[in-house]
Amino acid sequence: DVKVTQSSRYLVKRTGEKVFLECVQDMDHENMFWYRQDPGLGLRLIYFSYDVKMKEKGDIPEGYSVSREKKERFSLILESASTNQTSMYLCASSIGTGHGEETQYFGPGTRLLVL
Amino acid sequence: AQSVTQPDIHITVSEGASLELRCNYSYGATPYLFWYVQSPGQGLQLLLKYFSGDTLVQGIKGFEAEFKRSQSSFNLRKPSVHWSDAAEYFCAALSNFGNEKLTFGTGTRLTIIP
Repeated sequence: DVKVTQSSRYLVKRTGEKVFLECVQDMDHENMFWYRQDPGLGLRLIYFSYDVKMKEKGDIPEGYSVSREKKERFSLILESASTNQTSMYLCASSIGTGHGEETQYFGPGTRLLVL
Repeated sequence: AQSVTQPDIHITVSEGASLELRCNYSYGATPYLFWYVQSPGQGLQLLLKYFSGDTLVQGIKGFEAEFKRSQSSFNLRKPSVHWSDAAEYFCAALSNFGNEKLTFGTGTRLTIIP
């Protein structure tokens, strides 16, 4: 079974703090993704990565950055947290293009509250 | 622009009744299609997916979905719901042209009443 883990289930931070959300997958997947989920808006893609040290902007990258130094780990960084970044953050991974299997597998999510 | 629409924000059904959740997509070509379920406070679990072939797809937990090209739809069904099916359900689509961006609908929250 694919396993995607996220470092924290719940996180409380203050405005202006630098926040790191970590995601690890154990299936040697090439692609990894960060989404945020807000009521009534569904899931929106923040960033994704298709290889180590590679990253692509998603639909809402403003205020976020990412890091992928190792294949299994994809970090989401909030350089200066703001209250409008209070949300549920979901990480996902998929095997990669050309393998005929494009399914994304999700972690349990991190609920972030910025005060 | 590519989009996925789930027209029902909230559905309530009685335990044991049948269920159909609607999903429509707008893509230039038929995308890959997925249904995910999210229990409260949890991540998303894949229920089923459609890539090609048989238009009736079987998934886990007794769910199935039917792809209808003429209606650009991929509706999720279950003949008899259980209280444990109460959750939020997301339809999603992925372009099959190598673009890895999965587009989600806004979700349908399912409530089960005794």
